[in-house]
Order: sequence, then structure tokens, then C-alpha cells
Amino acid sequence: NAGVTQTPKFQVLKTGQSMTLQCAQDMNHEYMSWYRQDPGMGLRLIHYSVGAGITDQGEVPNGYNVSRSTTEDFPLRLLSAAPSQTSVYFCASLRDPSGGYNEQFFGPGTRLTVL
Amino acid sequence: GQQVMQIPQYQHVQEGEDFTTYCNSSTTLSNIQWYKQRPGGHPVFLIQLVKSGEVKKQKRLTFQFGEAKKNSSLHITATQTTDVGTYFCSSSGTYKYIFGTGTRLKVLA
Repeated sequence: NAGVTQTPKFQVLKTGQSMTLQCAQDMNHEYMSWYRQDPGMGLRLIHYSVGAGITDQGEVPNGYNVSRSTTEDFPLRLLSAAPSQTSVYFCASLRDPSGGYNEQFFGPGTRLTVL
Repeated sequence: GQQVMQIPQYQHVQEGEDFTTYCNSSTTLSNIQWYKQRPGGHPVFLIQLVKSGEVKKQKRLTFQFGEAKKNSSLHITATQTTDVGTYFCSSSGTYKYIFGTGTRLKVLA
């Protein structure tokens, strides 16, 4: 199993550009999520999904869109990049949040810089 | 909303010294998870605690969940250079996971 994969590893954007961060998992996990990590602020939840076709907002959703058309994939779209979106982005998956065992598996991360 | 505070933010220790990080919440937590993130890496799950007063051990690591389920701690005995990294606590609400700000541990050989 590859686990959780993310592409690209690094990305530089100009203000106003759009892009999609890719995330895929091969563990048949129901739950997937996106976090951003900024210095001194830990991990903050952007969006999450409890299954194909179901998404919801996390703590910091503004400026980001998600969709979940398949169990495996959960892309994150930046609609119009801003310097405040410079961060490290992590995708994570979890087998079944209603099952009581909350081990999240994280991807390697995407380091995004917006100029 | 629910918040989890973690202290200290940084800790430098000599190799062989002990280390403790604390996670505190103003509200009762249903559960708590601990993660470790090596420099330049991604968070990796260590353990989950769910019961009031629960204590779990993993080799030199001891995890505790407070009696009131509002705080938790991670204690490392006799730190090694391999313990370097940032340790995060996390807790779940209804499908939403919140993370503490993390404690960055540096171990001086």
C-alpha cells in the first residue's frame, strides 16, 4: 500500500492564480481531510469528507474548495491564491470516524508559496 | 469552538534527560490522540486515549489522560536524539479534529 499520497511536493504560485493540490489514498478509508500547517499554529482543518459525495467545512475553509467523487481521491482547489495561503498542506485519511478509533494517516505534504 | 492548548512551545533537553508536554482544554474531551512529526516530515500517529485517568506506555513514552478528561500529557524518559521532533495532541468533535499548537523538542547530544 502506498498509503496517502500528495502531489505536488512543492509549488510556487503568483497571487490570483488557481491550482489543485492532489490527494489519494489506497486504504479504502471513509474519512479524508485537508489541513494547513503554519509556524506556531499547529494543524488547522480546512475541509473534510466522510465519504464519496459528502464534504464539509473545517476551521479555515475560506479560499478553498473540495470535492470527493471517489473514495480514493480528495483534491483541494485554491480558487485565487493569496500570500496568506502560503503554508504546508497535509492531506489525511482515517478508516471510520464513527468507529471510535481516530488514527489519521497523513500524506507527505505540499509546500506552497504564494508570491 | 473547542480549543486545545499545548505547552511548552519549545523544549531543549540534554540527551538522557526527561521531557514532558502538556495538552489542556477548557471543555471535556471525548478522546485524545498524540502525534509525532519529525523535522521536514508529516505527523505520525502515536496513540489514542479515551478513558478518564487512562495511562498507556510505549517503551520510554508514557501517555496520560486526566481524570476530568480536560488534559493530557506525554512524558519521555531518558530522551534520545531520535526523539527530536514536534509532538501534537489532537481531539475529535463530530468529524472535526482539532490539534494543539505542538511542542518542539530538541535533544542535545
